[in-house]
Amino acid sequence: QVQLQESGPGLVRPSQTLSLTCTVSGDSISSGSYYWNWIRQPAGKGLEWIGRIYISGSTNYNPSLKSPVTLSLDTSKNQFSLNLKSVTAADTAVYYCARGGSHHPFLAFDVWGLGTTVIVSS
Amino acid sequence: EIVMTQSPATLSVSPGERATLSCRASQSVNNNLAWYQQKPGQAPRLLIYGASTRATGIPARFSGSGSGTEFTLTISSLQSEDFAVYFCQQCDNWPRTFGQGTKVEIK
Repeated sequence: QVQLQESGPGLVRPSQTLSLTCTVSGDSISSGSYYWNWIRQPAGKGLEWIGRIYISGSTNYNPSLKSPVTLSLDTSKNQFSLNLKSVTAADTAVYYCARGGSHHPFLAFDVWGLGTTVIVSS
Repeated sequence: EIVMTQSPATLSVSPGERATLSCRASQSVNNNLAWYQQKPGQAPRLLIYGASTRATGIPARFSGSGSGTEFTLTISSLQSEDFAVYFCQQCDNWPRTFGQGTKVEIK
């Protein structure tokens, strides 16, 4: 059974960098069959896709994000990570990591982490 | 980016009744459309991918249809566990985008 688990600080100061890690079990991020994604959800609001990374290192990011984003992979630990720089209160949300298919028609996010709450506050 | 618009925002339905949720894309997404269910305090769960294919373990009362820009999620006979928020998502273009959600509540 594939499982994803987010980890990282729950509180980040404004203008600092938000760093989260997603640990994957039951699947290898090196398999090449999936993209590895981050999605966030402010309290009481909808879902916003942040970005994705593939085993090749290729990335796509949401251009609507105001804070600079970087995704990275650590294949030795079967993890992928999110760095969001210069955060503001608007980056306060529940952050999810999710697995997304890379081949049609299996393109949806089929496995999600439980989510981790990040609050940006001084 | 592709804008996804869901309607209605809230749907009040009695248990056992049918629920029909709509999702419209601002441009064609072919059949690259997914539906998710989210309950309070939980992560979204994939229900439908490819516009009409049920994900593993999803009951047959959930069905999806449509292609291009107009899509529908139908729950044939609402069970108590189906009262939740439902999101559509296009998987055709980057950035991936979600609709704002439809809350299905007990009438």
